[in-house]
Amino acid sequence: EPEVTQTPSHQVTQMGQEVILRCVPISNHLYFYWYRQILGQKVEFLVSFYNNEISEKSEIFDDQFSVERPDGSNFTLKIRSTKLEDSAMYFCASSRFKGPSYEQYFGPGTRLTVT
Amino acid sequence: GQQVMQIPQYQHVQEGEDFTTYCNSSTTLSNIQWYKQRPGGHPVFLIQLVKSGEVKKQKRLTFQFGEAKKNSSLHITATQTTDVGTYFCAGPRSNTGKLIFGQGTTLQVKP
Repeated sequence: EPEVTQTPSHQVTQMGQEVILRCVPISNHLYFYWYRQILGQKVEFLVSFYNNEISEKSEIFDDQFSVERPDGSNFTLKIRSTKLEDSAMYFCASSRFKGPSYEQYFGPGTRLTVT
Repeated sequence: GQQVMQIPQYQHVQEGEDFTTYCNSSTTLSNIQWYKQRPGGHPVFLIQLVKSGEVKKQKRLTFQFGEAKKNSSLHITATQTTDVGTYFCAGPRSNTGKLIFGQGTTLQVKP
């Protein structure tokens, strides 16, 4: 069964450093998302992406965040200057169709630890 | 903004007991989705409910969508240790697929 994959599984970085989290969505999916989950808390939406542009972003997704689909398979989340409060699990998700009525497939996540 | 609330936050049951988690939205939803997250894992889609008053079953799991499409519940009959995890409801916020997740209910099952 096709899966969303994410790398790395765990990233440790120092405050102020840039990190890039990588995702490979399911191959025939067209809609991509990033969510984050602070330890023990709920899953929070960051951004949705379609047709090489952001469809929607949350208030968490400020100027320090950016997303890119550099080629036909990868979808990346970049944090320019990490803060301690960016420490969380970051999940990539994809769906085949657009809109609120279609299930999203989540990747295994990248645990980001900012020290 | 739209909020999705879930209760209880935690539930400990003896294996074989039933379990229910409740989800309430501050606004009417076009649909509601349920996800399960095993400890250390990622959210996995369980089901989607669309129609007012809809009831769907998956083996021992029963999902309901309220008549006003603002609340939902998940009921597990005769829990097993494999049911352990956090159950999240999620409602769509817009046409872009953005999901607003509830806080989740973490289920522990004692064998």
